[in-house]
Amino acid sequence: GEDVEQSLFLSVREGDSSVINCTYTDSSSTYLYWYKQEPGAGLQLLTYIFSNMDMKQDQRLTVLLNKKDKHLSLRIADTQTGDSAIYFCAENPGNTPLVFGKGTRLSVIA
Amino acid sequence: GAVVSQHPSRVICKSGTSVKIECRSLDFQATTMFWYRQFPKQSLMLMATSNEGSKATYEQGVEKDKFLINHASLTLSTLTVTSAHPEDSSFYICSARRGEGGYTFGSGTRLTVV
Repeated sequence: GEDVEQSLFLSVREGDSSVINCTYTDSSSTYLYWYKQEPGAGLQLLTYIFSNMDMKQDQRLTVLLNKKDKHLSLRIADTQTGDSAIYFCAENPGNTPLVFGKGTRLSVIA
Repeated sequence: GAVVSQHPSRVICKSGTSVKIECRSLDFQATTMFWYRQFPKQSLMLMATSNEGSKATYEQGVEKDKFLINHASLTLSTLTVTSAHPEDSSFYICSARRGEGGYTFGSGTRLTVV
């Protein structure tokens, strides 16, 4: 079945790096996504990675994909207080709607 | 580009009334849109897939007569919560796929039924 697992909480100090981990189950996912949700808002697409890639970097964001272990991670360099939010990992098995993890709540301590 | 506009952002209604939520793709055509519901501090639960020009596909456990979905054009899908009850209070979010690059989400609607 489809299942996306994430740790629920992460707390880091401002300026440090944050690493949010995710495991997924469906190897047929063509893309894997990271979304950010601020309080009371919708989801903002942060980045995505094609399944045949190992890494993707976009400014402060680095996505690592280990397809063998079905493990996805999002690294945020130089974490700022504005990065405090819930981060959702999502997979896209076949042509079906996105399957989301429960979200990781990132708290940045000044 | 690839903006999805959702309206209203917040609505309070009385029990027994109906509420319509609109989801528009502003700069692209969306033959398929998705409606999600999110409970506090929880993930998104897919309610239904809205297909332009045909009936929506509902997920198991979602009452189609209570949550009416209409996708009359390539840029507009609506979700109507009929005969709303306090337990329908939730955060509703729509989404549309914008090609291979990913899914774009609306800003969400906070529904409170009193």
